[in-house]
Amino acid sequence: AQKITQTQPGMFVQEKEAVTLDCTYDTSDQSYGLFWYKQPSSGEMIFLIYQGSYDEQNATEGRYSLNFQKARKSANLVISASQLGDSAMYFCAMRDYQGGSEKLVFGKGMKLTVNP
Amino acid sequence: IAGITQAPTSQILAAGRRMTLRCTQDMRHNAMYWYRQDLGLGLRLIHYSNTAGTTGKGEVPDGYSVSRANTDDFPLTLASAVPSQTSVYFCASIDSLTGGTEAFFGQGTRLTVV
Repeated sequence: AQKITQTQPGMFVQEKEAVTLDCTYDTSDQSYGLFWYKQPSSGEMIFLIYQGSYDEQNATEGRYSLNFQKARKSANLVISASQLGDSAMYFCAMRDYQGGSEKLVFGKGMKLTVNP
Repeated sequence: IAGITQAPTSQILAAGRRMTLRCTQDMRHNAMYWYRQDLGLGLRLIHYSNTAGTTGKGEVPDGYSVSRANTDDFPLTLASAVPSQTSVYFCASIDSLTGGTEAFFGQGTRLTVV
């Protein structure tokens, strides 16, 4: 069963607009962490934001915020005021602890294109 | 070394040959991971290690093996490469013992099996 689901294969947004990238997850753990990474066309993995399952406040990092809805098991990334440089692949990931082992698993990603 | 380093950056390999992808980190992170990235499939976990001396299987472990003899190194070995192992491979590490909130990635290894 897929643990991280990113259903939007691609999105387009106008420069300076806000955009929400969807991510749902599946875990039976109470303690877990959620990550978002950006991968530009150059290929490197760039860390954006982290949310712990016990964090009461939604995480924010500059123009990035994470809309964490624990009961719905969703961890959507919100990018405010999109820039051309935001065009990239975006991956949601979850770290949880199954059977005493810690794993970090990723979704399939989604491609964001920011238009001028 | 600063952070996490993979070698080689790219490689063309004949089918049937043995190949080891190297991954080294200098951050003393306890957890390390190997992924393969294929178009449309995201990053799929191959093997992981939560601490030196222990390893585990991820989603796609067949055809790959790993070892974790010490904290810093986590090599991935393809015993007998096949064309379906053509992919971009990423190594990552995280300090989960102190509640690390960022996984650090190597620059990736582009492997082509012909």
